This record gives sequence, structure tokens and C-alpha cells, in this order.
Amino acid sequence: GAGVSQSPSNKVTEKGKDVELRCDPISGHTALYWYRQSLGQGLEFLIYFQGNSAPDKSGLPSDRFSAERTGGSVSTLTIQRTQQEDSAVYLCASSLVYRGANEKLFFGSGTQLSVL
Amino acid sequence: AQSVTQLGSHVSVSEGALVLLRCNYSSSVPPYLFWYVQYPNQGLQLLLKYTTGATLVKGINGFEAEFKKSETSFHLTKPSAHMSDAAEYFCAVSDFGNEKLTFGTGTRLTIIP
Repeated sequence: GAGVSQSPSNKVTEKGKDVELRCDPISGHTALYWYRQSLGQGLEFLIYFQGNSAPDKSGLPSDRFSAERTGGSVSTLTIQRTQQEDSAVYLCASSLVYRGANEKLFFGSGTQLSVL
Repeated sequence: AQSVTQLGSHVSVSEGALVLLRCNYSSSVPPYLFWYVQYPNQGLQLLLKYTTGATLVKGINGFEAEFKKSETSFHLTKPSAHMSDAAEYFCAVSDFGNEKLTFGTGTRLTIIP
């Protein structure tokens, strides 16, 4: 596709439910990143993938959060037993080459998650 | 550990005035430094970046930033603000060889007509 695509754009869920957020990176981009943007908190790093493997999962807030990437393309971020503090915009980004953070990140428009 | 501090969560300037958005970083190794911009209802996009070489970096839309190692700063400037510059601006830092990009909390720029 022309850019990074994220779905859904908005998700409202009840506390305790599981949610899945999807990211379609730019075709050919080997690196994929997940960030969380909360009001007044800036962008919080969650996880990144090189191909299908995740060298750095240090940003995942708890074991309720998990992510996978298949076929070196689509990635899914899953949040189990959602809590109100999980409410935020979840951003996905991809970059062309895994070569240090020298490469430009291309961001999607994000998924606005609201946990009631 | 790397970190970024952006002074001023909100900055307002008059149209035609100088824009100055401040960013200070902390890094134990030579850093890579970035400014990203988020226009209303759009995704973040790269404005400019510093990796090595010339310390004055020029980006899109007339913005530039200067890497000052002695001050651990990477402030963003534009000589003359335009209404279209209204957006949120994020400074980010990465260590060489480290894929993780650490962002600041952002500065919302408002342009006064």
C-alpha cells in the first residue's frame, strides 16, 4: 500500500475485554514498531520487529500486552483484559531497513482505544 | 538510558515571528536526533534528523535544527512562522545501533494571526 495502515481507527471496549489492533506496514519495510500515545505523555515505545522476530519487547507495559508479526508483514497488538489506563492512541510505524535508527520511520494514523 | 526533554508543552507565536522549540537529550553515546511533526488529523512525519556530519540540519517547510553537543540540545527553529505550521512537534533520540527511538512529550505550536 501507499502508507502504513492501521485498523480499526477507533475501538471502544468494555473493561476486561480483549482487543486486537492491526498494522499493515509499507510493502518491503522490514522493521515495524508499536508506540502508544497518551495525552500529555508523548510517545511511549512498546515493541519493535525485525522481520518476524522482536529483539526488544522491553516497552510492553505488562503481560496483558503481546504482539506478533507474520510473513514479515502484518502485525497484531493484542491487549488482554483491558483496563481503563490502556486507553490511548496506538501507533504503528515501519521503516525500510534495519540499520540502526538512521532510517526514517513512517507512521500510521493510529488506533484510538477507549476502555469504558 | 536515553531520554528527551521538551521545554514547553504549548508554544504560541505570531504569524511571521521566529519559531523556537526546545529539546534537550540525555545519551551515553553519540546520539541520533530527530524532529517529527504531527499535523491535525494526520500521522507523524519526519521533519529532519541528525546522524553525523554537519551539526546544522535543514528539514522540510523551512525548519532547521542545530546539534550542540556541549549543551546536549537539538532546538528546532524557523525564521518566520506560517499558519500552516500549527501542529504538535516531537523531538526524539536514538543511540547508534539501538533501534528504539525515544520521544519527548511533544510541544503543541499555535500560530496567532
